[in-house]
Order: sequence, then C-alpha cells, then structure tokens
Amino acid sequence: DQQVKQNSPSLSVQEGRISILNCDYTNSMFDYFLWYKKYPAEGPTFLISISSIKDKNEDGRFTVFLNKSAKHLSLHIVPSQPGDSAVYFCAASARSFGNEKLTFGTGTRLTIIP
Amino acid sequence: DGGITQSPKYLFRKEGQNVTLSCEQNLNHDAMYWYRQDPGQGLRLIYYSQIVNDFQKGDIAEGYSVSREKKESFPLTVTSAQKNPTAFYLCASDFREVNQPQHFGDGTRLSIL
Repeated sequence: DQQVKQNSPSLSVQEGRISILNCDYTNSMFDYFLWYKKYPAEGPTFLISISSIKDKNEDGRFTVFLNKSAKHLSLHIVPSQPGDSAVYFCAASARSFGNEKLTFGTGTRLTIIP
Repeated sequence: DGGITQSPKYLFRKEGQNVTLSCEQNLNHDAMYWYRQDPGQGLRLIYYSQIVNDFQKGDIAEGYSVSREKKESFPLTVTSAQKNPTAFYLCASDFREVNQPQHFGDGTRLSIL
C-alpha cells in the first residue's frame, strides 16, 4: 500500500516558467511533509517542508502548498532554472503521533529546457 | 564542516559474503536511518535508531543488520540472506525534534559480482 504517491514520473518545463510537482497521500495521520531534490549518485538534499498547521510555506523560489482535505501537496518552483533539473521526492511523517519515520513517494524527474 | 559521511562510494560483493556499509555523522543528531533505493522507486526504510544501543526494523529489514554503539556511527551489514542486495544505500540522520528534516549522506552503491 503506497501511502505517498507521485503520479507523474517525469515533467519538462521551459526555463523561466513555473514548475509544479504534485504529491498525494492517504494516511490522515501524516502531519509533516517535506520535499527533497536528488541528483544521480548523490544523496537527497532537503528543500522545503510544511507542517499540517499551515497551508503554505515559502523559501525563495520554492513554495509548498498543502491541501489537507484533499490530502494533496504541491511544490512550485518559480522561475525554473537549468540547475533545478533533478529527481524530486516528497515525503511525509506522523511526528505528532510519535512516528518519526519518513514515507517517500517514488519521485518525479524534472527537466528544465533551456 | 558538519555532515554525514558514507563509505565506500562503490562496493562489490561476491555471492554468499556479508558486507558492511559505514555511516558517520558529526551533526550531533540523535536518530539515524538506513534506506535503500532501487531504480524507479522511492526510498524504503531498512532500519533506524533513535538512541544509542537501540534500533528498530523498518519496512524491509530482512537480510540486514545494524548496530548503534556510538551516537555518531550507524553501520549497516548486508548479509548473505539478502537475496537482492544490488541497490543504492542511503544513510540519514536528524534531531528527532518535531518538524526537523532528515539529512542524507551521498550513498553507497552495492553491486554483486
């Protein structure tokens, strides 16, 4: 049972435009959500997170939106740059319930077209 | 510089051998984790440890073993019982505080000869 789903395996976006990556979850106990960026043969790098008490968190070019009723979160990158080309993973945990384990989605490969 | 160091970067194993992957962190993090990544899949949790001398199985612990004798170190042994050990292994750590992210090392790629 996949509790965190990234239904788009890949996404291509023109440089300078907005990239929107989506993630759905099924476990209503999840209360902390994160996005990681990963280059080949490297470990994931933490990008941005959001707790369930918020519906938006912004950090520079990156904004994460959380829709709890729809169990959906999205990562917006504006403007997209060539260095943003990577695989993006969303992850979730139920920390308030004492469960610190992260559950990851399968990733979306983002390609920025110059 | 603080960080998580995984070694070696590439590791080869013969059939029937046990191998140990190293993970060291100097971030003073309380908890440490081991994940496995296979092509086209997300990261799956193998084992995790929240404090020294204690650890718990993750979702795919069969064929693996760990120890946590020091706060800084969390080695993973891939035993001969692991039937499909070829994968990219990632170590992570965090402070266990609410709303603090896990940080990752650069991984070890294990291949079977």
